[in-house]
Order: sequence, then structure tokens, then C-alpha cells
Amino acid sequence: DGGITQSPKYLFRKEGQNVTLSCEQNLNHDAMYWYRQDPGQGLRLIYYSQIVNDFQKGDIAEGYSVSREKKESFPLTVTSAQKNPTAFYLCASSKRRENTGELFFGEGSRLTVL
Amino acid sequence: AQSVAQPEDQVNVAEGNPLTVKCTYSVSGNPYLFWYVQYPNRGLQFLLKYITGDNLVKGSYGFEAEFNKSQTSFHLKKPSALVSDSALYFCAVRDANSGNTPLVFGKGTRLSVIA
Repeated sequence: DGGITQSPKYLFRKEGQNVTLSCEQNLNHDAMYWYRQDPGQGLRLIYYSQIVNDFQKGDIAEGYSVSREKKESFPLTVTSAQKNPTAFYLCASSKRRENTGELFFGEGSRLTVL
Repeated sequence: AQSVAQPEDQVNVAEGNPLTVKCTYSVSGNPYLFWYVQYPNRGLQFLLKYITGDNLVKGSYGFEAEFNKSQTSFHLKKPSALVSDSALYFCAVRDANSGNTPLVFGKGTRLSVIA
């Protein structure tokens, strides 16, 4: 079945370490997104990419980096510069040509900094 | 600028009673509106959307939502709540004239259905 796969589901990191969250989709979607979820704050956009080899910053991009070398993949690196990285991270994709913006989500990755 | 407000952090309802989860939005043009549901430690699941046409939209699991342009609202409703409806609900919006900008989400409303 088509879908979005995020890994790992749970991740623990020591302060000062970078960590990369994986997001892979086989829906043939052009656009991919990373959101961060914190209790009571909803979803906040980190980065998004509408086409391979191109991406844009969202509302809270500081301390994060992304790449989009393949249509299917949009990994997120949480760097040591991110001051409060403990959160639930959600990857999503959409059909760019459909233009409504409807998103399809992965199951999320929970990052805990020790 | 696009924005969404979900004025209630928590909604409690007895099983079998009707439920409403409120959402208001702000866009400069016409809106595309969505409702998503999230269960603990899971991703968001699509419930329904309003793009154009009939103001009453029917979606998954018996949910529906009514688009009200004059009140800029898109409240989620269900005639008879189930305990299994207990979850976190998100409203989202995008301006139809904004090109391919991402959806903007509300902060979420936690629905608790009590048996």
C-alpha cells in the first residue's frame, strides 16, 4: 500500500548531538513537509519542499536542516543549535498539482533529548 | 496572512449526544478547509475537506462540517458521539489564491467522549 514511512518511531539523543529523522513516501507526491508538534501548540511548519532539489523554510526553521535529493525522500536533521528539540515530528506529503493543499501524514517520530 | 482559531482546548460530551468542535478561519481569498484527527502517538488522519460547492461536507466516521462564509467558520459535528471518537482534532486552512503555500493548522481541540 502507498503511504509515508517515518523512522525511527522513538529516538533519544544527548545534548549537543545532531540527529536525522527519515521520511519516505511512495505516493508519487511532489511536495513534502516537516511539522513539529508540542502540547497545546498545534502543528508548526519547519521546512517544506515542493520539488526535488528545492526547499523553503517554514515558521520555525532555526536549528533544523533538510535535503531533497530524491522525490521519495525528505530527511530532517535536528542540529545541536536547536535549543529545545524534544518534540513529536510529523512528515507529510501532498499532490502539488491538485493545489488544494491536502496533506497525507506519516506516523510521526518522537525525539527526546536527555 | 492565513490563520485558524480553535477556541476550545477541550470538549467533553456524553456518549450518544451530538458533538461540535469549533473552528474559525481568516484568509484574504476563498478558503480550502480541512479537519484532521489524531490518536495518541499517531500521525494525523484526514476526516473531511471543503473546497467548493455544498456548504455541508460529509466525511469519515459519520463526521460532517458546515462551511459558513459570513461567519468564517467550519465547525465539525457528529449527531451521536462514540467513546472511540475521543481524540485530538485539528482544523486547517489554505487560501485558494495563495499558490502552493502549506496548510496552516489550529492548535487542536481535545475531544473526550464519556460513556
